[in-house]
Amino acid sequence: NAGVTQTPKFQVLKTGQSMTLQCAQDMNHNSMYWYRQDPGMGLRLIYYSASEGTTDKGEVPNGYNVSRLNKREFSLRLESAAPSQTSVYFCASSRGTADRSPLHFGNGTRLTVT
Amino acid sequence: RKEVEQDPGPFNVPEGATVAFNCTYSNSASQSFFWYRQDCRKEPKLLMSVYSSGNEDGRFTAQLNRASQYISLLIRDSKLSDSATYLCVVNGGPSGGSYIPTFGRGTSLIVHP
Repeated sequence: NAGVTQTPKFQVLKTGQSMTLQCAQDMNHNSMYWYRQDPGMGLRLIYYSASEGTTDKGEVPNGYNVSRLNKREFSLRLESAAPSQTSVYFCASSRGTADRSPLHFGNGTRLTVT
Repeated sequence: RKEVEQDPGPFNVPEGATVAFNCTYSNSASQSFFWYRQDCRKEPKLLMSVYSSGNEDGRFTAQLNRASQYISLLIRDSKLSDSATYLCVVNGGPSGGSYIPTFGRGTSLIVHP
């Protein structure tokens, strides 16, 4: 009963470095999401994938790219990390965006950009 | 105006107290509503969905007021273990046919002995 698995749990990058955050779910969910959480800001949506083969921008997409590799996996890429991207990143999934199903979250990735 | 608004608190209450949080939302087309609980530096976890007629789960009661566009969470007989941040989530109106979850900033609850 893994649910949503994110890797890595922690990462430190230097400004300008790139990295990919991985997310996989084993609940056969159609929709997947990437959020970032900063102190006092709540969770803000970066990108989402309503279904396999589609991706859309959320509230704060600048500086990120995503890939919905298959139904299970949704990755988030930082091409050139900036200190403003220091945050906690959460991946989530749900049955679909057209219904009223709740989100299930991964454990989060704590990213520091120096 | 932010789409989903919550009083950040903190709400500081003694054990056994009853405490209530409200969350207002701006999109009248919103279709579904949830309360999540988040412990320090951990992932949010679903506490309960909020149904139109209101719903209860043990010590927790959730209510929806569509006319005034807010949802509420009532916690009775507070326990120390209820200390956490409570996040309001609203699945907003359709964006190309999708209802996208939007989070409030959370309300911090501290229950003390």
